[in-house]
Amino acid sequence: DGGITQSPKYLFRKEGQNVTLSCEQNLNHDAMYWYRQDPGQGLRLIYYSQIVNDFQKGDIAEGYSVSREKKESFPLTVTSAQKNPTAFYLCASSSGRDGNIQYFGAGTRLSVL
Amino acid sequence: GQQLNQSPQSMFIQEGEDVSMNCTSSSIFNTWLWYKQDPGEGPVLLIALYKAGELTSNGRLTAQFGITRKDSFLNISASIPSDVGIYFCAAAEDSGGYQKVTFGIGTKLQVIP
Repeated sequence: DGGITQSPKYLFRKEGQNVTLSCEQNLNHDAMYWYRQDPGQGLRLIYYSQIVNDFQKGDIAEGYSVSREKKESFPLTVTSAQKNPTAFYLCASSSGRDGNIQYFGAGTRLSVL
Repeated sequence: GQQLNQSPQSMFIQEGEDVSMNCTSSSIFNTWLWYKQDPGEGPVLLIALYKAGELTSNGRLTAQFGITRKDSFLNISASIPSDVGIYFCAAAEDSGGYQKVTFGIGTKLQVIP
């Protein structure tokens, strides 16, 4: 089954700790995205990558880092510099042909202990 | 950045009623998208619109791409309990060879059986 897999579904972070959220897709899509979702604020773009080994900052990149070493994978690290990390994180991907249609994973809910 | 004004932000309706929600912007877009998000899950694409004036249906859902390219609406007819969720509009524009997608804040729909 083709799709986007995010893991884990739930993640807890201790203060001062870096945590990494996984996103894998088998849709052969070139572009991948990370969004943060807070109640009443819709989706805010953290980082995006249009091609392997390249990525760009979105609207709220501070306190986050990404890598794109493989086409299928776009992990997001929430660093200790992100002071308010509690949120629902969504990964998405899109193809070059229908680049404006993004397909989403099931999300990871990150909470701070 | 670009903004989409989505309304209403929430609505309670009786099962069987029709629902209408819309998105407006001061900017012109080349694609309008409507997604539905169930609690704790990622958004799922409902309808994609590519041409000004286009009217597209998907079962009980109908959406239109506004003639000015600055707005879109989504109608749901004869609502049922499983229509509960958050509905997002999204709009895409060319941005230096990259399809930048902007999301609305979402309309939270509650259906009373």
